Amino acid sequence: GESVGLHLPTLSVQEGDNSIINCAYSNSASDYFIWYKQESGKGPQFIIDIRSNMDKRQGQRVTVLLNKTVKHLSLQIAATQPGDSAVYFCAGGSNYKLTFGKGTLLTVNP
Amino acid sequence: NAGVTQTPKFQVLKTGQSMTLQCAQDMNHEYMSWYRQDPGMGLRLIHYSVGAGITDQGEVPNGYNVSRSTTEDFPLRLLSAAPSQTSVYFCASSYQSANTEAFFGQGTRLTVV
Repeated sequence: GESVGLHLPTLSVQEGDNSIINCAYSNSASDYFIWYKQESGKGPQFIIDIRSNMDKRQGQRVTVLLNKTVKHLSLQIAATQPGDSAVYFCAGGSNYKLTFGKGTLLTVNP
Repeated sequence: NAGVTQTPKFQVLKTGQSMTLQCAQDMNHEYMSWYRQDPGMGLRLIHYSVGAGITDQGEVPNGYNVSRSTTEDFPLRLLSAAPSQTSVYFCASSYQSANTEAFFGQGTRLTVV
């Protein structure tokens, strides 16, 4: 099965800096990866996704990078804002099942 | 659109009691799923459904039942609650499968004493 983990459980950055959250996965057959943001007391909220036939995908202030050789993906947040403070989860899998990592708590300091 | 609605938001059960967590979506999504989230853990898949009448087990299905009689509703039943089922439960729906954007409900915080 899939195992998805994060390199660091917490990340603290200064407002305006760029943030990078990393994630590793184990199943080479995984063909879909997704990042979610979860604020305290709320359900996860979609940020960005990427399929295995891509290396990079950009959204508004966010970029996801996928390195299939080392089974690693990362989420980059540009110009981090206080509203970005939350727990970030990566998830990977295929059509019917996703496996989530344990999450990284991002704290943005003013 | 309300999106994904879960009820109740909070529940306390005694060991051995049964209950149903409700989940409804109004987006006409085919794929629905239930996750549990424990402290310091990611979300773990309990059961999922790819359409009305079709359900399947996820990573941690023991102690839970589901059914999908309509596209809109996907209830999760706890047959005989145990303290190990104390958790926050999230229902999610997505257009066709797990590999598209999922919309999550606000969660049900369940405590089994």
